[in-house]
Amino acid sequence: KAGVTQTPRYLIKTRGQQVTLSCSPISGHRSVSWYQQTPGQGLQFLFEYFSETQRNKGNFPGRFSGRQFSNSRSEMNVSTLELGDSALYLCASSFSGAFQFFGPGTRLTVL
Amino acid sequence: AQTVTQSQPEMSVQEAETVTLSCTYDTSESDYYLFWYKQPPSRQMILVIRQEAYKQQNATENRFSVNFQKAAKSFSLKISDSQLGDAAMYFCAYGRETSGSRLTFGEGTQLTVNP
Repeated sequence: KAGVTQTPRYLIKTRGQQVTLSCSPISGHRSVSWYQQTPGQGLQFLFEYFSETQRNKGNFPGRFSGRQFSNSRSEMNVSTLELGDSALYLCASSFSGAFQFFGPGTRLTVL
Repeated sequence: AQTVTQSQPEMSVQEAETVTLSCTYDTSESDYYLFWYKQPPSRQMILVIRQEAYKQQNATENRFSVNFQKAAKSFSLKISDSQLGDAAMYFCAYGRETSGSRLTFGEGTQLTVNP
C-alpha cells in the first residue's frame, strides 16, 4: 500500500495570506488527523476528520480549518497567516483511531 | 487532560550498545495506547513500537522493546545493539481509541549514536 502523502512539501507565504495543505491517507483509512510541529510548542494536535466529519479538535484559533472529502483525502486551511504559523504540518491516517501512520509533512514558512 | 513527559532532551549511545529512553504519562483512564515514534532528519514520523495498556506483556519489535509500568505510568524504550541509523528524535505518545486519532506527544528525546 502507498503511504500517506502530503502536498506541497514546502511552502513560503507572507503574513496575511492564506494557505491550503493537502493530505491523502493510506487506502482504506477513514481517519485523517493534522498536527503542527514547532521547536517551541512541540507536536500539537489540530483536528481529526473521520468519514467527512470533524471528530476531534485541538486548541487552535478559528483561522485553522479543515475538511475531508468522500475519498478520505483531507485539506487544512490557514487564513490570515501569522509569523507564528511557520511550522511543519503533519498529517496522519488511521483506519479508525489511535494507531496512526504519518505523512512526510509540509514545511510552511511565513515571511 | 492527559500529559506525556520525556525528561531527557538529549541522549547519546555508542554504536552496538544499549540505550533506554524514558517517558512518563498522566491519565485517569484505564484503556489507552502508548507509542514510540522516531523522527529522523527527514522529519518523517515513523512508528517504532506500540503498547496496549490492557496487555501486561511488554511489546518488542526486533531491537526495540519497552518497559511498561502501568501503575507507575512509565513507558521506557530500550534500543539494543544501537545502529547509526537509530539516530533521530524519539517521541513518546499517548492515545485512546475512544478519543479517535488524537495523540498527545512528549517533548522528544534527541538520540545521537556515536561510531
